[in-house]
Amino acid sequence: DTAVSQTPKYLVTQMGNDKSIKCEQNLGHDTMYWYKQDSKKFLKIMFSYNNKELIINETVPNRFSPKSPDKAHLNLHINSLELGDSAVYFCASSQEELAGVIGELFFGEGSRLTVL
Amino acid sequence: KQEVTQIPAALSVPEGENLVLNCSFTDSAIYNLQWFRQDPGKGLTSLLLIQSSQREQTSGRLNASLDKSSGRSTLYIAASQPGDSATYLCASKNRDDKIIFGKGTRLHILP
Repeated sequence: DTAVSQTPKYLVTQMGNDKSIKCEQNLGHDTMYWYKQDSKKFLKIMFSYNNKELIINETVPNRFSPKSPDKAHLNLHINSLELGDSAVYFCASSQEELAGVIGELFFGEGSRLTVL
Repeated sequence: KQEVTQIPAALSVPEGENLVLNCSFTDSAIYNLQWFRQDPGKGLTSLLLIQSSQREQTSGRLNASLDKSSGRSTLYIAASQPGDSATYLCASKNRDDKIIFGKGTRLHILP
């Protein structure tokens, strides 16, 4: 039973296209994140949502638009894809102050985006 | 601005040896520090989470320590096995709610 699931796992598309990546968590967490892992494997936060509200936006181009229809889902839509968008995108979730434990992160398997 | 550093970037050790992975951070005002493992082509798996009020956490052959005053955390792996080969990342959760990752240490256990 996957805790954080992302679809699709692989995505190959042409420059200029628009694409979406979906994420769902069944852990009952109230916070969800999108991270980008570049070719050098460096993980960098893009967005964070808490109970459907945007709380972190790390100077990501406005071609990237996260959408959270409910606290179990956080989707990432990317407009006008560029070569530099090629990366692995990870969704993650956490629960704040659950039983005294602050914010253990759980990750999805990642979505590898290749822009041609 | 928090910076998290992991040195070395890569490490190879013979099977059976004990080893220590290092993580340092510049801002000691953290909520917690978490260690992850990432296998090639996979997501991150949480190994250990240390709250800011704790000094260490243990799970099986893994022990993670936290020294906020010196801005350091270590991950100790006892009796290493080839299956431990992976990239190990540490991440700090900071007072601004951001979680900052190090660049990871790529560990290779030689059979």
